[in-house]
Amino acid sequence: NAGVTQTPKFRVLKTGQSMTLLCAQDMNHEYMYWYRQDPGMGLRLIHYSVGEGTTAKGEVPDGYNVSRLKKQNFLLGLESAAPSQTSVYFCASSYGNQGLRWNTEAFFGQGTRLTVV
Amino acid sequence: KNEVEQSPQNLTAQEGEFITINCSYSVGISALHWLQQHPGGGIVSLFMLSSGKKKHGRLIATINIQEKHSSLHITASHPRDSAVYICAGTLNTGNQFYFGTGTSLTVIP
Repeated sequence: NAGVTQTPKFRVLKTGQSMTLLCAQDMNHEYMYWYRQDPGMGLRLIHYSVGEGTTAKGEVPDGYNVSRLKKQNFLLGLESAAPSQTSVYFCASSYGNQGLRWNTEAFFGQGTRLTVV
Repeated sequence: KNEVEQSPQNLTAQEGEFITINCSYSVGISALHWLQQHPGGGIVSLFMLSSGKKKHGRLIATINIQEKHSSLHITASHPRDSAVYICAGTLNTGNQFYFGTGTSLTVIP
């Protein structure tokens, strides 16, 4: 029962480098989210997806791209990393709308600590 | 102004004390979540509630929809309860969580 798995757990990038964070869930959840967590601030939504093949912008989407080619995977890409993107990134998933009833209990990954130098 | 406000921001308690963490929100939500985050660790969902009260072991969560307020209580606190506790609300659309900034709890033996 893996739940939500994020890879990698830690990464150091140089400014301008690119990388992709992978989030995988094995609960058949429709909804997946990418958040960043910074000191003194609540979790902020970067992008989210309400189903395979769909993505949408969240609160802080600039500098990030996402893809949801398979239902179980949600990828977060940084094309040209900047020091302002130094943060801890969390992926989460939830069932979404099950018929007329919302089930928004969220399951989170362990986080990815990214440092951009 | 954050849509979800938590208090206190930091809390230190002696082992065995009864602890209360408060959460107030200004948006219309369909569910309120309490999450736990241990140092250097991931985030775990403790409760999801839309009315009334839920209990799990020594943890109790309550919500008052009319007053837009929720509380998380920990009875007989223990050092392993030391963590950051985060409340979050979800809208009726289910595709947006509003997070509080968290309450950092330290329980001293």
